[in-house]
Amino acid sequence: EAGVAQSPRYKIIEKRQSVAFWCNPISGHATLYWYQQILGQGPKLLIQFQNNGVVDDSQLPKDRFSAERLKGVDSTLKIQPAKLEDSAVYLCASSLFQGGDSPLHFGNGTRLTVT
Amino acid sequence: GEDVEQSLFLSVREGDSSVINCTYTDSSSTYLYWYKQEPGAGLQLLTYIFSNMDMKQDQRLTVLLNKKDKHLSLRIADTQTGDSAIYFCAESPNDYKLSFGAGTTVTVRA
Repeated sequence: EAGVAQSPRYKIIEKRQSVAFWCNPISGHATLYWYQQILGQGPKLLIQFQNNGVVDDSQLPKDRFSAERLKGVDSTLKIQPAKLEDSAVYLCASSLFQGGDSPLHFGNGTRLTVT
Repeated sequence: GEDVEQSLFLSVREGDSSVINCTYTDSSSTYLYWYKQEPGAGLQLLTYIFSNMDMKQDQRLTVLLNKKDKHLSLRIADTQTGDSAIYFCAESPNDYKLSFGAGTTVTVRA
C-alpha cells in the first residue's frame, strides 16, 4: 500500500510571500487531515476533511490559511501571506474513516522556513 | 498548555528497557495512541489501546493504561539504536480528533 505523499519536502520563502502544499492520501481513505508541527512541539490539527467536506477548521487561521480537497482525494493547503511564525513542518495524514479505531497515517511532511 | 503531557527526554542504554510516560486529561478518549517520529519523517503509529483495557502487548512494546489516573505508559523491551526517535502520546476526545503531547526524545546509547 502506497503511503501518504506530500510535496514539496522543503520550502523557503520570505515573509509576506505565498506558498502551497500538496497531499495525496492513501487510496480509499475518506478522512484527510492537515497538521502543523512547530519545532519542539507535537502536531496541532489545522483542518480535517471528510471526503470533500470540512469537518473541523476551528484551529485554521482563516485570514491567511486556506485548504481544499477537490473530488475528495488530493488536498492543497495554502498560506497567503506567510508570517515568520508559520515556520513549521506541515503534515498531512489520512484515515479510512473518522473514528478512534481508524488510525491516522502520516506523510513525511513539508518543512517550511519563512525568513 | 498541553492537554497531554510527557517528559521531554529519556536516555537509555542499548539492551535495557525504556519506559515513556504520559498523562492525558480527557476521559472521553476511547483510544489512546503512541506514535514514533524519526528525523525528517512523519509520525508512524506504533500501537494504540482501547480505553477499557489496562494493558496491551505487541512484540517488544507494552502499553499500560491507568484510566483512573489518566496515565499511559509505553515500555520498549531490549531497546535498540533504531528506537532512537521522538515518541508522541495522543488522546482522542469523544473519539474525534487526535490531541498530541509535545513528544519524548529517546536517545539510545551504546
